[in-house]
Amino acid sequence: QKEVEQNSGPLSVPEGAIASLNCTYSDRGSQSFFWYRQYSGKSPELIMSIYSNGDKEDGRFTAQLNKASQYVSLLIRDSQPSDSATYLCAVEPLGGATNKLIFGTGTLLAVQP
Amino acid sequence: DTGVSQDPRHKITKRGQNVTFRCDPISEHNRLYWYRQTLGQGPEFLTYFQNEAQLEKSRLLSDRFSAERPKGSFSTLEIQRTEQGDSAMYLCASSAGTGYSYEQYFGPGTRLTVT
Repeated sequence: QKEVEQNSGPLSVPEGAIASLNCTYSDRGSQSFFWYRQYSGKSPELIMSIYSNGDKEDGRFTAQLNKASQYVSLLIRDSQPSDSATYLCAVEPLGGATNKLIFGTGTLLAVQP
Repeated sequence: DTGVSQDPRHKITKRGQNVTFRCDPISEHNRLYWYRQTLGQGPEFLTYFQNEAQLEKSRLLSDRFSAERPKGSFSTLEIQRTEQGDSAMYLCASSAGTGYSYEQYFGPGTRLTVT
């Protein structure tokens, strides 16, 4: 079982729709969760961090965390073609003093104009 | 505030050669990370520095790899006797190391191609 799992996609949504990206993780004690956006050929860009159960909103982005289900998601409202990218879920495992991140393989999002 | 910078952005080398990459973190960030990313995969942790101390190394980091962070500022990652399997994007990230958690910000990466 992979430590952080994401559906590789592609996830195709029409412009203006809500895109829903999902991630599950295996380390039940994980404390911190991050979403990164990565355009083709570029480096990851931090979008959201979330540490507590529930929702966290930032502009068009909402991160949702359910530690009991070991599940974290990212919703993108009013999707734009410029949102087309790979979205990486990253988890900080329990017990690490270094705060290294474990990444999923990413979900490719394609927003159709 | 300039972001994390890396140099070079691209490196093509022949198998068996040594290469060195540099990372300059966001100023005043005391934590620095190296990751490696191959096509279709997420970044994989390689090593971590807190100030000048290297506190963790992944088992992915063979003895051909060495990293330093003299004086707790910039960091270098050296690969000796490169192999084709070393071809990847090498990413550097830094974090402030304060607060509840430590958001990591990535540099543009160095893309290594070993021929």
